[in-house]
Amino acid sequence: AQTVTQSQPEMSVQEAETVTLSCTYDTSESDYYLFWYKQPPSRQMILVIRQEAYKQQNATENRFSVNFQKAAKSFSLKISDSQLGDAAMYFCAYRSAGDNDMRFGAGTRLTVKP
Amino acid sequence: ETGVTQTPRHLVMGMTNKKSLKCEQHLGHNAMYWYKQSAKKPLELMFVYNFKEQTENNSVPSRFSPECPNSSHLFLHLHTLQPEDSALYLCASSQDPGGGQGGNTIYFGEGSWLTVV
Repeated sequence: AQTVTQSQPEMSVQEAETVTLSCTYDTSESDYYLFWYKQPPSRQMILVIRQEAYKQQNATENRFSVNFQKAAKSFSLKISDSQLGDAAMYFCAYRSAGDNDMRFGAGTRLTVKP
Repeated sequence: ETGVTQTPRHLVMGMTNKKSLKCEQHLGHNAMYWYKQSAKKPLELMFVYNFKEQTENNSVPSRFSPECPNSSHLFLHLHTLQPEDSALYLCASSQDPGGGQGGNTIYFGEGSWLTVV
């Protein structure tokens, strides 16, 4: 079974600085998708960034980028120029192509210090 | 504004009550999901519907009963719940999991906080 591991329960970053959140996963599949979701205090899960496993190029969305290492099964999220509004729980997620289920990690709580 | 709306946002119910959670998606998707989020646990998939047909039931107790009358609406009927069922229940939608570009992204609602007393 696929598992997703986030080894950092909590992280903090100074406003305007850069922080990297770690995620590793375990799968025997070759076709899958990886995601980072943000869950602010409002509790709505918001998609931050998405990576297709068949793409070697790392996904980027404005201040958010990933470091996707397929062989190492690693999928870290880098947040540049951190803002107070980035404070939230961040969940890494895995989904096999054509599969119903999306597997989530336990989450990392990010605090942004002014 | 979210494409997936859930009501009620908060619900307190006794163990003998019957209540329902409602979810509606405005994204034109054909798959809908119920997830449970408890404290200190990863999100747990409960049910999946594709084109109104249930395709996944993750060993959920029968006191939770889903209903999907069409691709835009999803209900979770609650009956004789236990205090340990208190959690945030998240509804989500996506294109058919087997779909193409963007077909594997799941979009979530804001959740319904359930407290069982």
